[in-house]
Amino acid sequence: SAVISQKPSRDICQRGTSLTIQCQVDSQVTMMFWYRQQPGQSLTLIATANQGSEATYESGFVIDKFPISRPNLTFSTLTVSNMSPEDSSIYLCSVAGTSGTSFLRFEQYFGPGTRLTVT
Amino acid sequence: AQKITQTQPGMFVQEKEAVTLDCTYDTSDQSYGLFWYKQPSSGEMIFLIYQGSYDEQNATEGRYSLNFQKARKSANLVISASQLGDSAMYFCAMRPINTGNQFYFGTGTSLTVIP
Repeated sequence: SAVISQKPSRDICQRGTSLTIQCQVDSQVTMMFWYRQQPGQSLTLIATANQGSEATYESGFVIDKFPISRPNLTFSTLTVSNMSPEDSSIYLCSVAGTSGTSFLRFEQYFGPGTRLTVT
Repeated sequence: AQKITQTQPGMFVQEKEAVTLDCTYDTSDQSYGLFWYKQPSSGEMIFLIYQGSYDEQNATEGRYSLNFQKARKSANLVISASQLGDSAMYFCAMRPINTGNQFYFGTGTSLTVIP
């Protein structure tokens, strides 16, 4: 399994400002993912971040609002730009594990999350 | 369309008893993986158990087992001998083979273990 760390673990931010969340993995991984979990809700995929290429965003998420960097195979950042109270969520970084030989067996490992509160 | 449904927003179980958390899914893919994750109040997502669509036997991992009924498209999680530390949110997730690495998550079930 992969060990994933995120910084910061939590933050309280003013509306209109931006926050950059860092995700560090203890091994090289091809694909990293960023999820948002709004209060009391399930996880929603924001984007997939591949090293050396532009991130792929899911419907409803745009690069201007959630720019992502992926400078190498162990690190990624997600920026939440021009924040509003609606951005208050847990933001989770994850990577695909490669247990076993079946592609379908590749579970996702998650970081501890960043709890963001926007006031 | 891919969809995961968890119909139990909250469940209670007595310590040391078994509990079943329901999950149904909808996909047109023939090949898919089913996963259960635990999310304690700390917020981290902890992988619990996996079931492949072609696996004939139900998956088991310690006190966790997955009751897989393919024809009914259900993948219920059974936790035996519940412990206080099992109190958490539980998410069912599906990964159809044709969506690459994208996971589809259910809305979760909040489990409370009563001493």
